Amino acid sequence: NAGVIQTPRHKVTGKGQEATLWCEPISGHSAVFWYRQTIVQGLEFLTYFRNQAPIDDSGMPKERFSAQMPNQSHSTLKIQSTQPQDSAVYLCASSLDNSGNTLYFGEGSRLIVV
Amino acid sequence: GDKVKQSPSALSLQEGTNSALRCNFSIAATTVQWFLQNPRGSLMNLFYLVPGTKENGRLKSAFDSKESYSTLHIRDAQLEDSGTYFCAAEEGQGGRALIFGTGTTVSVSP
Repeated sequence: NAGVIQTPRHKVTGKGQEATLWCEPISGHSAVFWYRQTIVQGLEFLTYFRNQAPIDDSGMPKERFSAQMPNQSHSTLKIQSTQPQDSAVYLCASSLDNSGNTLYFGEGSRLIVV
Repeated sequence: GDKVKQSPSALSLQEGTNSALRCNFSIAATTVQWFLQNPRGSLMNLFYLVPGTKENGRLKSAFDSKESYSTLHIRDAQLEDSGTYFCAAEEGQGGRALIFGTGTTVSVSP
């Protein structure tokens, strides 16, 4: 079991460019979550999927951010027209399902917008 | 506001000593998870709790849903216990995403 895999581990992008982050959940896990971590805001929930369907995106900035889960083995988080304030570590996590199960995190993708 | 409040924010321990971390909830927490984030940034799950207690080696955790708090006790602290500890709560029933506290940074020294 390789755990939750996130790519890239590090990404530096210019202001206004697009950034796409990938997550491969643990095989067999049906719930996938995206969180963002910064020094100032801490760990913030962004969005989650269950059985590939979007369930709750209440933490997603309404503009420029989108997440998809086209199949059970990967999810993407896309940020359009990146801004310096988007710089953060983006963490993906999965669990067997969302109700009453341990959450397993990937190692994160560190995004720096210059 | 702070739905999940952790204290203290930082803790320095000598090897071999004991300590306790605490989370207070201003939400109706139904389950709690504790994580340790190592210096590389990896978040490792330590405990998943419904109301009650669990123990794993030198770590023991308790969750009291009526009094809205959870604790994590570290016994006989070791250097490898250093890192940032996060608690996270699930609010209500129905499978909502975890709400994280702001973390307690623990430094264990020889």
